Order: sequence, then structure tokens, then C-alpha cells
Amino acid sequence: AQTVTQSQPEMSVQEAETVTLSCTYDTSESNYYLFWYKQPPSRQMILVIRQEAYKQQNATENRFSVNFQKAAKSFSLKISDSQLGDTAMYFCAFVEGGSQGNLIFGKGTKLSVKP
Amino acid sequence: NAGVTQTPKFQVLKTGQSMTLQCAQDMNHEYMSWYRQDPGMGLRLIHYSVGAGITDQGEVPNGYNVSRSTTEDFPLRLLSAAPSQTSVYFCASSYGGGAYEQYFGPGTRLTVT
Repeated sequence: AQTVTQSQPEMSVQEAETVTLSCTYDTSESNYYLFWYKQPPSRQMILVIRQEAYKQQNATENRFSVNFQKAAKSFSLKISDSQLGDTAMYFCAFVEGGSQGNLIFGKGTKLSVKP
Repeated sequence: NAGVTQTPKFQVLKTGQSMTLQCAQDMNHEYMSWYRQDPGMGLRLIHYSVGAGITDQGEVPNGYNVSRSTTEDFPLRLLSAAPSQTSVYFCASSYGGGAYEQYFGPGTRLTVT
């Protein structure tokens, strides 16, 4: 069975600093997609970043970037210049095979950004 | 453009009662899904639909029914509520399956006593 593991239940970072959230996954497929979703205290789930496994280049979205290590099955999220609004639960998610597959979520990392 | 809407936002049920959680989207998305979120468990897929008239089970379907008579609506029915169904429920929709960006509703917090 496919699994997604987030080994850091909670993390904290000072405002303006950089933090990295870890995610590993297990699959025997070569074609898959990886995601980071953010859930702030409002409870609204928001897509942060998306990575396609066949793309070598790491995805970036403004202050958010990933380190995708396909051989190691690792997909970490780096947040640069952390802001108070980055305080949230962050979920790593994975879908394998074709685009019709279903997402499998990790258990989440609770990130607190401190002033 | 309202996106994905869910009603109600909060609900308290007694064990054995039934109810329907409503979900609607106005983006003409074919793919819709229901997740439950429990502390320390992430989100787990209950049921999903790839289009009107087509539904299938996810990881944790027991105790829940769904139907999809229109593209816009995807209600989730609890047949006989149990305390184990106390959770936050999210509906999501997307252009395709999980590989596309999922648009989530605001969630329904359900408590079963």
C-alpha cells in the first residue's frame, strides 16, 4: 500500500527565517504526483505546491520550494522568509499512476511562526 | 463564483440518527470527493466520484453513502451515526482526479454523542 510519512508532528520557526518540512513516500510506480497542502487555523485547505515525478526540476512558488529526491522518495518543503501567515498545518500528499488517481495524505506537520 | 460550498458548518447528532452533509461546486468539475480529518490522522478518503452517476469507495467508506445525480452536487449520507464518525468532513472538487489541484470546501465539524 502506498504511504506518505511526515516525521515532524510539530515545528516552529522565527519570523523571516527558513524552515524545511520533511515528507517521504512509498511507491513502486514511476509516474506520480506530489503535493503540499496548507491548512491555516481557518481550516481551509489550500494547495501550496505541486510536483510531477517525471520532471527533474524542483517546483517553486514564490517563497515556497521543494527538494524532490526521486531515488530517496523524499519530498521536502522549504519556506523562506517565514511570515506569521504561514502558521498552519502542512500536509504532504501523493497520487500515483494516471491523473484519475486519488490523493493519499500524510498526517501533517503543525508549523508555528513566532514573531 | 462560490467555489465549493458545504452545509452545515457544525452538527451534533445522537448515536443512531441519520443525516446528509451537503456539498456543491459551481466550477463544472467532474471529480468530487469526501474526506474525513481526525486529529493525528491527516485526511482520509471516504468516497469519490469521477462524474455524474459514477461513485466509488475510498479508504474509509463504511457507514457512509453517496450519490451523484448532477455534476454540481455530491451529498454524503450518514446512515446511522456512531461516535466513531465524530470528525471534520471536507468535500473537494477538481478538474480531473487527484493529480489536479483540489478545491476544498470549508468543512463540516460533526459530533456524535
